[in-house]
Amino acid sequence: DVKVTQSSRYLVKRTGEKVFLECVQDMDHENMFWYRQDPGLGLRLIYFSYDVKMKEKGDIPEGYSVSREKKERFSLILESASTNQTSMYLCASSSRENTEAFFGQGTRLTVV
Amino acid sequence: LAKTTQPISMDSYEGQEVNITCSHNNIATNDYITWYQQFPSQGPRFIIQGYKTKVTNEVASLFIPADRKSSTLSLPRVSLSDTAVYYCLERTTGGFKTIFGAGTRLFVKA
Repeated sequence: DVKVTQSSRYLVKRTGEKVFLECVQDMDHENMFWYRQDPGLGLRLIYFSYDVKMKEKGDIPEGYSVSREKKERFSLILESASTNQTSMYLCASSSRENTEAFFGQGTRLTVV
Repeated sequence: LAKTTQPISMDSYEGQEVNITCSHNNIATNDYITWYQQFPSQGPRFIIQGYKTKVTNEVASLFIPADRKSSTLSLPRVSLSDTAVYYCLERTTGGFKTIFGAGTRLFVKA
């Protein structure tokens, strides 16, 4: 069974902390994505990566960075967490043809 | 911004057929139409994809007219477990961005 695994289901962090959200996929996919989801706004693309060490900004990259050192792993970094980054974060992966994206279960991050 | 437009919400009853229409007036020649389903506290799940005419799988049917400016997802005989948010999006072949809109919240009543 194909899998995208996010390291935490729930996370509570303090304002100003550096936060790492980890995502691992076992499908040998080239593309990986990070989204955030807020009520009424659907999913918004933060960053995506189409290869190791490659990254592209999505629609809302401000306040975030990413790292992809290995093909199977894509990390989202909040350099200095703020309360407006409280959200559900979803990781996804897809093949190079981008036929179908597979999503993880999500990480609900609360910044206090 | 999402390139597609769909209703915010829909209600239905168990056993009915549900049709959710999506507008994509500026769809590019190489773009496919893809639909995802999302249950609360889960990531979206791929349902169906098409380029034009009709596509059917075990879950749903997708109708895309010749001009490709809209598409309709058809769910036959819905059940309570079909209550979810349904997203319509354009997917570029070989492209990297997958842009979601706000989706359509379907509520199935007993």
